[in-house]
This record gives sequence, structure tokens and C-alpha cells, in this order.
Amino acid sequence: GNSVTQMEGPVTLSEEAFLTINCTYTATGYPSLFWYVQYPGEGLQLLLKATKADDKGSNKGFEATYRKETTSFHLEKGSVQVSDSAVYFCALTGNSGGSNYKLTFGKGTLLTVNP
Amino acid sequence: DAGVIQSPRHEVTEMGQEVTLRCKPISGHNSLFWYRQTMMRGLELLIYFNNNVPIDDSGMPEDRFSAKMPNASFSTLKIQPSEPRDSAVYFCASRDGTDYGYTFGSGTRLTVV
Repeated sequence: GNSVTQMEGPVTLSEEAFLTINCTYTATGYPSLFWYVQYPGEGLQLLLKATKADDKGSNKGFEATYRKETTSFHLEKGSVQVSDSAVYFCALTGNSGGSNYKLTFGKGTLLTVNP
Repeated sequence: DAGVIQSPRHEVTEMGQEVTLRCKPISGHNSLFWYRQTMMRGLELLIYFNNNVPIDDSGMPEDRFSAKMPNASFSTLKIQPSEPRDSAVYFCASRDGTDYGYTFGSGTRLTVV
């Protein structure tokens, strides 16, 4: 079945540091890939997505590129802010048959940004 | 658009009691999902509905859990009887047919004592 593996963290950075959170996946066919963010006490919000190989998703300074050859979708940001402190989840939906609806998540990575 | 609305936000109940969680999806979305989040297991899909019909309930932990979607604008997740190990945050999400992304509600934090 489909699965997502992401670095578990926690990750602690200083403001303006560079961020990378690694994510790799296992899936049949051509899944769609997502990053979700969860701020304390809130639900998950879609941060960015990519639906085919070599697509780059971007939002709020975050970027991730769909790399089919390495089955990866690493999240990056050039300069983090204190307000980016949250839990980040990598996820995918299948693109074949009955698994199309199912959103499979990684374990999540807690990011703390210190001033 | 008010988004996906879940109620209650917090629920504290005693072991053995019945608990009902409620969800109102975004109007026009035809798929609805219930997830459970715990520190140990992360986010787990419990069940999803498409056009009000349960499609996959393989994630429902046991017979104590049941979910219904009587119409396109309302779903419930019921636990009877509840146990302390059911303590978690339960999220509802809905999805339209044209976008692979989901919209999540703010969740219900359930504590069973």
C-alpha cells in the first residue's frame, strides 16, 4: 500500500535560518503529493501541493518539488520566521482505483523557530 | 464559506459513556473523512464517505465505533462504550470532486477518564 516517511524531528531553528524537512513516499502509479501544516490547537491546513512529476508547489515562501526518480517531496524555506512554528505533515493521495480518495500522512515534524 | 464545522471542540466523558462527534462538511463537497490523531499513531483514517455512502471503514478500530452520514450536510462518529484509549483528537475533512486537496475541521479533543 501507499506510505509516507518524513523526518520526525523535532526541528529547532533560529529565525531566518534555512529549513528542509525530508519526505519520501511509496506508491503505485502517480500519486498527488501535499504538505499540510498544523498550528497549535488547530486543524490541518493545506500548505502546498504537486500533482505530477517535476511540479513545484509553493506557498508563503515554502517550496517542494515532486521528484519521481527519488520518490521525494522535500519541504524547503529559505528564511523561517517564529510564526512558522508548527507541525508539518507530508501526505499523498493515490492515483489508481479505489485508493484515489485516501490521503495517507507521514508522522509529522514539529518545527520550533526561536527569535 | 464557514469551512468544515465540528462539534464539540472539547469533550470529557467517563469510561463506558456514549460519545457522539458531529461534522458539517463544506457545501458541495461530496466526500467526507474521519481521522483520529494521537501522539503514538499519528493521523489515522477511520472511515470515508462518498456521496453519503460509506466506502472504506477498514480503519474503524472496533465495533464500539460507528459512523453515519444521513445527508450531504451532516455526519456523526459515535463511540459506545468509550474507553480511555479512545482519547485523541478526531478530525473531520471534506473534499470536492475536482480537487485532490481536503479541507479539515478544527477537530474534537476527546478525553475519556
